[in-house]
Amino acid sequence: DGGITQSPKYLFRKEGQNVTLSCEQNLNHDAMYWYRQDPGQGLRLIYYSQIVNDFQKGDIAEGYSVSREKKESFPLTVTSAQKNPTAFYLCASSTDREGNQPQHFGDGTRLSIL
Amino acid sequence: AQSVTQLGSHVSVSEGALVLLRCNYSSSVPPYLFWYVQYPNQGLQLLLKYTTGATLVKGINGFEAEFKKSETSFHLTKPSAHMSDAAEYFCAVSDPMDSSYKLIFGSGTRLLVRP
Repeated sequence: DGGITQSPKYLFRKEGQNVTLSCEQNLNHDAMYWYRQDPGQGLRLIYYSQIVNDFQKGDIAEGYSVSREKKESFPLTVTSAQKNPTAFYLCASSTDREGNQPQHFGDGTRLSIL
Repeated sequence: AQSVTQLGSHVSVSEGALVLLRCNYSSSVPPYLFWYVQYPNQGLQLLLKYTTGATLVKGINGFEAEFKKSETSFHLTKPSAHMSDAAEYFCAVSDPMDSSYKLIFGSGTRLLVRP
């Protein structure tokens, strides 16, 4: 079955440490997205990529970095500059070329601070 | 800029009662509209979407939504709630004029179903 796989499901970060969240899709989608979810705030866009080797900042990119070296992979690094990283992180992908196609979501990674 | 308002962070209904979850958007151009459902510690699953055509849209699990341009609304309904409908529901919009095709999400409504 096609889908989006996020790993790990739970992740713990120490002070001053960078951590990387994995997102892999086998849907052959061009566009991929990273969202952060905090209780009562819905989803906020961190970064997105519409094509390999290109990505754009979303609304809350500070303290995060991404890469898009392969179509199926879009890893997110939470750097030590992100002072409040505790949240649920969701990766999504879409075949969208016109804005009218839904995004497909992975099951998320929950990041906590040790 | 687009924005989405979901009225009511929590909605509680009895099993078998009507479910109504409200969503209003602000946009000068009619957006593409989506409803997603999220169960605990899971990702989001698409319930239904409106892009063009018929304004009453039917989705999975017996849900439907109606696009009302004059009211800038896209409320989600289900005639009879089931215990398995208890989850968080998100309304989202995409601006047809924005080439990034980003989704803007509302803050979500948690649906509680009482036995």
